Amino acid sequence: KNQVEQSPQSLIILEGKNCTLQCNYTVSPFSNLRWYKQDTGRGPVSLTIMTFSENTKSNGRYTATLDADTKQSSLHITASQLSDSASYICVVRSNSGYSTLTFGKGTMLLVSP
Amino acid sequence: GAVVSQHPSRVICKSGTSVKIECRSLDFQATTMFWYRQFPKQSLMLMATSNEGSKATYEQGVEKDKFLINHASLTLSTLTVTSAHPEDSSFYICSARTGGPDTQYFGPGTRLTVL
Repeated sequence: KNQVEQSPQSLIILEGKNCTLQCNYTVSPFSNLRWYKQDTGRGPVSLTIMTFSENTKSNGRYTATLDADTKQSSLHITASQLSDSASYICVVRSNSGYSTLTFGKGTMLLVSP
Repeated sequence: GAVVSQHPSRVICKSGTSVKIECRSLDFQATTMFWYRQFPKQSLMLMATSNEGSKATYEQGVEKDKFLINHASLTLSTLTVTSAHPEDSSFYICSARTGGPDTQYFGPGTRLTVL
């Protein structure tokens, strides 16, 4: 069964600090992995997308890594801001005929002043 | 570009009534639209997939007679929750795909509360 596990479940950090969120998956066959940011009461917004051959991808203060061998990904947020407070969701796409998405439960990040 | 809207953003209704949620792709034509449900602190769960002009494909465990989906045009899909009950209270999110599998964009969601 395809699964995506994220850790930690929730995280509180001080404004200006860095943090790293983790994602482990067992989706097969793998197509790509996306990190989304979901503000409370809003839909997910894509931050990064990574394919099998990509190890690192950055989007401003967000840097995602992918280790396709160990089936792990991380999202590193640098110099956090209050507006970074949100749920961060790891989503893995299967390269099956239906191209299904498997969603993680998300990590709830709270950046405090 | 690639904006997906939902209406309403919030709705409160009495048990037993029906509620319609609209999903629109504002600046592109969506060949496929998806409807998800998200309970608090849970991941998004796919309810159904619809292609314009054809019947929706429902995920296992989702009642097609309760969650009516219409995808009448390339820019509009509707989800009607019929005879809503308190357990249907959830956050409903649609997404629209314009082409390949990685051209999928999410709407802002609709918070449904059934009293």
